[in-house]
Amino acid sequence: GAVVSQHPSWVICKSGTSVKIECRSLDFQATTMFWYRQFPKQSLMLMATSNEGSKATYEQGVEKDKFLINHASLTLSTLTVTSAHPEDSSFYICSARGGAGANVLTFGAGSRLTVL
Amino acid sequence: GENVEQHPSTLSVQEGDSAVIKCTYSDSASNYFPWYKQELGKRPQLIIDIRSNVGEKKDQRIAVTLNKTAKHFSLHITETQPEDSAVYFCAASIRGYQKVTFGTGTKLQVIP
Repeated sequence: GAVVSQHPSWVICKSGTSVKIECRSLDFQATTMFWYRQFPKQSLMLMATSNEGSKATYEQGVEKDKFLINHASLTLSTLTVTSAHPEDSSFYICSARGGAGANVLTFGAGSRLTVL
Repeated sequence: GENVEQHPSTLSVQEGDSAVIKCTYSDSASNYFPWYKQELGKRPQLIIDIRSNVGEKKDQRIAVTLNKTAKHFSLHITETQPEDSAVYFCAASIRGYQKVTFGTGTKLQVIP
């Protein structure tokens, strides 16, 4: 089946630094990937839709200059949290459609970001 | 846009009993409804899905029902086991369309 690899799994950084999270589709091509943010005990909130070769589409309220998304190839999308602050600490998960059934979303393992 | 509501937010059942989670959606154009199970600190995993051209789908102990007229769908887990304990999310989308809207989640606890 479709596999989405995401790393790092855990990252701790100092306030003001930038952190990059990678999301790769391992056995399929993903023209579109999705980035979600999940706070403890809460649902998955879509942040942006990453489109290969073009600009990402951000959801309302998500700062595009804060959360930079690059989707330079059919198998890789990156999310960079710029000038991170403690309130950016969260669980970030990517997903892509692939495998048997184009509607099925396959998720990465998630990246837990802690900003000190 | 689509709005998906999910109830209850928490659910505790005795092992062997059934669990039911209900969701409603707002966009009548939605026609694909997946359910995901998320264990603590892990990725959501698809457990079952249903398309709007069917009213019910079953996979072993898990079943999903859909009422398009009322715009609600439900997850049924029978003979619950402790390993069923997790957070369950319903979702809705339009087939062929990219965006998937998730419900708020239900934390299911199966008590041995």
